[in-house]
Amino acid sequence: DQQVKQNSPSLSVQEGRISILNCDYTNSMFDYFLWYKKYPAEGPTFLISISSIKDKNEDGRFTVFLNKSAKHLSLHIVPSQPGDSAVYFCAATDSGGSNYKLTFGKGTLLTVNP
Amino acid sequence: DVKVTQSSRYLVKRTGEKVFLECVQDMDHENMFWYRQDPGLGLRLIYFSYDVKMKEKGDIPEGYSVSREKKERFSLILESASTNQTSMYLCASSLRHPGRRNTIYFGEGSWLTVV
Repeated sequence: DQQVKQNSPSLSVQEGRISILNCDYTNSMFDYFLWYKKYPAEGPTFLISISSIKDKNEDGRFTVFLNKSAKHLSLHIVPSQPGDSAVYFCAATDSGGSNYKLTFGKGTLLTVNP
Repeated sequence: DVKVTQSSRYLVKRTGEKVFLECVQDMDHENMFWYRQDPGLGLRLIYFSYDVKMKEKGDIPEGYSVSREKKERFSLILESASTNQTSMYLCASSLRHPGRRNTIYFGEGSWLTVV
């Protein structure tokens, strides 16, 4: 059973516009959420995170929103740039667990067109 | 900066061969992980280790084993490689209790092709 779901395998947006990537989770024990970005033939790199005590976290062009009641989070990229084209993975964890382990979604391929 | 180094970027092995994928991290992290990434399937955890000589199965451990003899080094072993193990393998590490900035750090990946 998939505990972290990214239902859109791909997303295409125009440069300068907003990109919105969505993620849903089912495990109510998850209390920490992260987004990773991955270019082809490279390892994922950490982008931004949010704790369940917050509903929004912002870092430059990237903002993550968390709706706990809906078990939904989203990553907003404004403005989108061609260099943002990559696969974005949503991840979640129960930070109170005995060992730190992330559960990943299947990823969303973002393409930003010039 | 954290550095997670995977010894081989590209490997081609024959069916039935024993394959070793090596990973070293330089940040004294307690936790280390092996994932594989396949198109449409995302990142799937194979094994992880939270201390030297300690290991736990992830979601897809079948056909794999691991070794953690030193804190900085975590090896993934394919006892008898099969074609369905052709994939990108990603090593990662993290602090045991990362605190406020919970994150794990990935290596650049190892592309394994089994023919």
